[in-house]
Amino acid sequence: DAMVIQNPRYQVTQFGKPVTLSCSQTLNHNVMYWYQQKSSQAPKLLFHYYDKDFNNEADTPDNFQSRRPNTSFCFLDIRSPGLGDAAMYLCATSLRWEKLFFGSGTQLSVL
Amino acid sequence: QKEVEQNSGPLSVPEGAIASLNCTYSDRGSQSFFWYRQYSGKSPELIMFIYSNGDKEDGRFTAQLNKASQYVSLLIRDSQPSDSATYLCAVNSDNNDMRFGAGTRLTVKP
Repeated sequence: DAMVIQNPRYQVTQFGKPVTLSCSQTLNHNVMYWYQQKSSQAPKLLFHYYDKDFNNEADTPDNFQSRRPNTSFCFLDIRSPGLGDAAMYLCATSLRWEKLFFGSGTQLSVL
Repeated sequence: QKEVEQNSGPLSVPEGAIASLNCTYSDRGSQSFFWYRQYSGKSPELIMFIYSNGDKEDGRFTAQLNKASQYVSLLIRDSQPSDSATYLCAVNSDNNDMRFGAGTRLTVKP
């Protein structure tokens, strides 16, 4: 089945230790998104790609970076995780303007 | 700043009643509108989408859009305990920057 896959499902990292979250899709969608969601809060858009065009939200910290080497894969790099970065990270894909298809998310803990 | 606002709730309705969820948005350039359901610890799942002014019905769910008032709503008829979840309103613009409201937590009591 076509889908959006996020790995790992749970990630534990140490304060200040770089971490990479991955997302892959078999839907061949041209838009890929990264959201951060903390408990009882809205998913917060970090950035999105429309094909290779990268769109960074103005309030996304520089500590967060992203790579999209090809249509199928997208990565979220957190260069120096802080305690406040502990959250669920959601990857999603879509065709332009249309509904999002979400991965199962990666729950990040920072010790 | 593009905003999507929802009443956080919680909203509690008895089984079989109609649940009404509301959402307003600030960006007049918004193109498409979505309602997602999210269970605790899970990813959002799509319930309804609507692109044009008016009503759109799908089973027990009806989405309503009024672009002039920048307002979108979701009605759930014959509410069931399994409908208990957080409902997220999402709005997309022509920049593909899909934004979410904070969600309304719905509890349906048997």
